[in-house]
Amino acid sequence: QVQLQESGPGLVKPSETLSLTCTVSGGSVSSDTYYWSWIRQPPGKGLEWIGNAFHSGRTNYNPSLKSRVTISVDSSKNQFSLKLSSVTAADTAVYYCAREIRTGQPRWYFDLWGRGTLGTVSS
Amino acid sequence: QSVLTQPPSLSGAPGQNVTISCSGASSNIGADYGVHWYQQLTGSAPKLLIYGTKHRPSGVPDRFFGSKSGTSASLAITGLQEEDEADYFCQSYDTSLTGSYVFGTGTRVTVL
Repeated sequence: QVQLQESGPGLVKPSETLSLTCTVSGGSVSSDTYYWSWIRQPPGKGLEWIGNAFHSGRTNYNPSLKSRVTISVDSSKNQFSLKLSSVTAADTAVYYCAREIRTGQPRWYFDLWGRGTLGTVSS
Repeated sequence: QSVLTQPPSLSGAPGQNVTISCSGASSNIGADYGVHWYQQLTGSAPKLLIYGTKHRPSGVPDRFFGSKSGTSASLAITGLQEEDEADYFCQSYDTSLTGSYVFGTGTRVTVL
């Protein structure tokens, strides 16, 4: 049974970089079937897709965050990571990692999610 | 930035039926990218409920039914149960945002 688990510092200062890691267990990030995504949810609000990465290094980002986001896959550790730079209080959210179905039919959805980790931006 | 519009809240007594709407556009739901639904219980991560408009993952009860017409989609819950009290989000892929996934605004379903 594949599981995803987010980890990383829960508190980041304004203007610094939020760095999170998602560890995949029971499956491989090097699978050709899946992309690996980050999605966030500010407290009490809706969901926002941040971006994704494929094991080949290909990435796609939400245009509204693209200038500040880097997502990468580390096949040797079976992990993928998120870096969000120049954070402000508006970036405070629960950050979820998710497995994305992007091939075959149907596609373009997230079939497996991590439990989420709260990233707080505060001085 | 939610571009799919859902009613903020709905409620129903146990056994009743509720239908959640999800209004989009020709660049997302109206395009051939499918619409998907997630259930989020309080304090938990979202869970895939419906994919490809109408398909249920293994383990999802058949009282959840998805459909689509034009640029809108719907999630029907028939025979509402207490454990269905949750937030529900629709999701699609939008070509007008340089290839970006979009979510609905979310609907809180309360079981009276």
